[in-house]
Amino acid sequence: DSGVTQTPKHLITATGQRVTLRCSPRSGDLSVYWYQQSLDQGLQFLIQYYNGEERAKGNILERFSAQQFPDLHSELNLSSLELGDSALYFCASSVAGGRQFGETQYFGPGTRLLVL
Amino acid sequence: GIQVEQSPPDLILQEGANSTLRCNFSDSVNNLQWFHQNPWGQLINLFYIPSGTKQNGRLSATTVATERYSLLYISSSQTTDSGVYFCAVLNTGTASKLTFGTGTRLQVTL
Repeated sequence: DSGVTQTPKHLITATGQRVTLRCSPRSGDLSVYWYQQSLDQGLQFLIQYYNGEERAKGNILERFSAQQFPDLHSELNLSSLELGDSALYFCASSVAGGRQFGETQYFGPGTRLLVL
Repeated sequence: GIQVEQSPPDLILQEGANSTLRCNFSDSVNNLQWFHQNPWGQLINLFYIPSGTKQNGRLSATTVATERYSLLYISSSQTTDSGVYFCAVLNTGTASKLTFGTGTRLQVTL
């Protein structure tokens, strides 16, 4: 158990809908990262928040947004869903900003999203 | 951006056999992590190893940062070792995202 929790574990929805994925980092970790694992793109970084502020952005679609709340949990919002958004979404956390030598990212169990 | 290549892409072993998985990366790194993704999709941290050698039971890993590669050794493989093994790197001085390789899919048979 990494200490990172994600809800829900599974989500089935229809095209055009909007969903929210939730992540709670390990106790004491300030950074939260979101990654997407799809069959054709592999594991890709979406976005990072550090202590409530956006720190780094990857190939995140404009239809997707995220935030980190004062209690450090994070939510990833996916809207106007398309079939191609079906994927495993992972949240990870680390103790600091992510650039320290040897800083480890701990991954949650993931949310499996299926868009029909 | 940094490129991460893993080999072999697929590996089939009989239970009890040993194996070596390789990860090559194209630039200097602040961190390197090995993961095992089990058949249920969970990503399990195996090692964080930006340099040097670490061992954990039947698994060990070595990273030679100056030559830009890392090796994961699995000894006396068991069926529970099946899954996909990913190497992921954190590029020095750039954004804090992990860049993942395409993985090695391991199947251990009886």
